[in-house]
Amino acid sequence: KAGVTQTPRYLIKTRGQQVTLSCSPISGHRSVSWYQQTPGQGLQFLFEYFSETQRNKGNFPGRFSGRQFSNSRSEMNVSTLELGDSALYLCASSLISLLRGETEAFFGQGTRLTVV
Amino acid sequence: KQEVTQIPAALSVPEGENLVLNCSFTDSAIYNLQWFRQDPGKGLTSLLLIQSSQREQTSGRLNASLDKSSGRSTLYIAASQPGDSATYLCAAKGDSGNTPLVFGKGTRLSVIA
Repeated sequence: KAGVTQTPRYLIKTRGQQVTLSCSPISGHRSVSWYQQTPGQGLQFLFEYFSETQRNKGNFPGRFSGRQFSNSRSEMNVSTLELGDSALYLCASSLISLLRGETEAFFGQGTRLTVV
Repeated sequence: KQEVTQIPAALSVPEGENLVLNCSFTDSAIYNLQWFRQDPGKGLTSLLLIQSSQREQTSGRLNASLDKSSGRSTLYIAASQPGDSATYLCAAKGDSGNTPLVFGKGTRLSVIA
């Protein structure tokens, strides 16, 4: 069974540009969450999508946005990049079942974004 | 607002030693707690998930416990090996289940051969 796949693995962008990151969840998982990881702040929640709807949103500026497609694949977009957006962006998927509720989260390898 | 703390931030032990990593959380109304391992520059690997109704979970040399009343979880690693060297993160999910994971900043473990 394939794990969570994030593409691309590495990105270098210039300040002011925009970027789109992609996440393909484990087959059957309909919940996808995004996190930003930096050395200073650790892992911070960006947003979560379930069945194409945003269920939760973290405390990030509107430059950060996301969406989920009908096949559960998700993308996040960052517009007008700033130097401080340099980070490892991690995506997680989990299974929501009526019987067991939300099960464990599985993470991808992340996308390393460097803004210069 | 849930806050998760992991102490110590870094730990170095000789190979073969048994060790305990600590995780504390401020809001005891959790849905589950999950332990992860992260190797440098990599994603997170799920180690153990403890549901709020459980007291502990075991997988191989790993044992995680949960005490909601005291707001604490521990990860016990038996007979540590150099391959266990990594950063260990714990994350708590709020009790509605419809809330994000809140992460601690991790404990960086070095196992010296």
